[in-house]
Amino acid sequence: GALVYQYPRRTICKSGTSMRMECQAVGFQATSVAWYRQSPQKTFELIALSTVNSAIKYEQNFTQEKFPISHPNLSFSSMTVLNAYLEDRGLYLCGAQGAANSDYTFGSGTRLLVI
Amino acid sequence: QQQVRQSSQSLTVWEGETAILNCSYENSAFDYFPWYQQFPGEGPALLIAIRSVSDKKEDGRFTIFFNKREKNLSLHIKDSQPGDSATYFCAAKGSNNRIFFGDGTQLVVKP
Repeated sequence: GALVYQYPRRTICKSGTSMRMECQAVGFQATSVAWYRQSPQKTFELIALSTVNSAIKYEQNFTQEKFPISHPNLSFSSMTVLNAYLEDRGLYLCGAQGAANSDYTFGSGTRLLVI
Repeated sequence: QQQVRQSSQSLTVWEGETAILNCSYENSAFDYFPWYQQFPGEGPALLIAIRSVSDKKEDGRFTIFFNKREKNLSLHIKDSQPGDSATYFCAAKGSNNRIFFGDGTQLVVKP
């Protein structure tokens, strides 16, 4: 079956430092990867959508300068939170999609705490 | 403006009852509506989904009723079990492949 692994599961970083998280698709080819942040109130915010052979599209309020994303092949993506501050805390979810119009499969997320 | 809205933040039902979770959306270009189930500490898992060409989708105890004209849909969970206690997210996707989520409804099924 299609699985998505995210690591680390949780991490703590000091305010102003950066943190990289990874997303691995297993059992299918991730042609599109969507990164979300789920706030403590459980709201999902779409950060960006990365599709192979296309430019990464960031949503309003999220920038490449703050959340650089790499999607080098069909099984892996990473995102870095640069200069993390308190408002960046939350659960970062990676959703990967195989064929166009197929369902997204989500990982368990990377929980980021900023101290 | 929030693209997908869920009318209840929380819902409590007794075991065996039907739980009804409501959702509405803004963008009439959305054509695919998945529902995700999330347990604490885990990511959201796809439960059931419907395309806008259908008005009903059934999978076991889970049924989606979809009203394109009114831009709303509901998830019915028949014979609710305590193990169904989780947060349920209604989501919507259009041709640009971006999925938008509602804020979730936390369902508690009491034994």
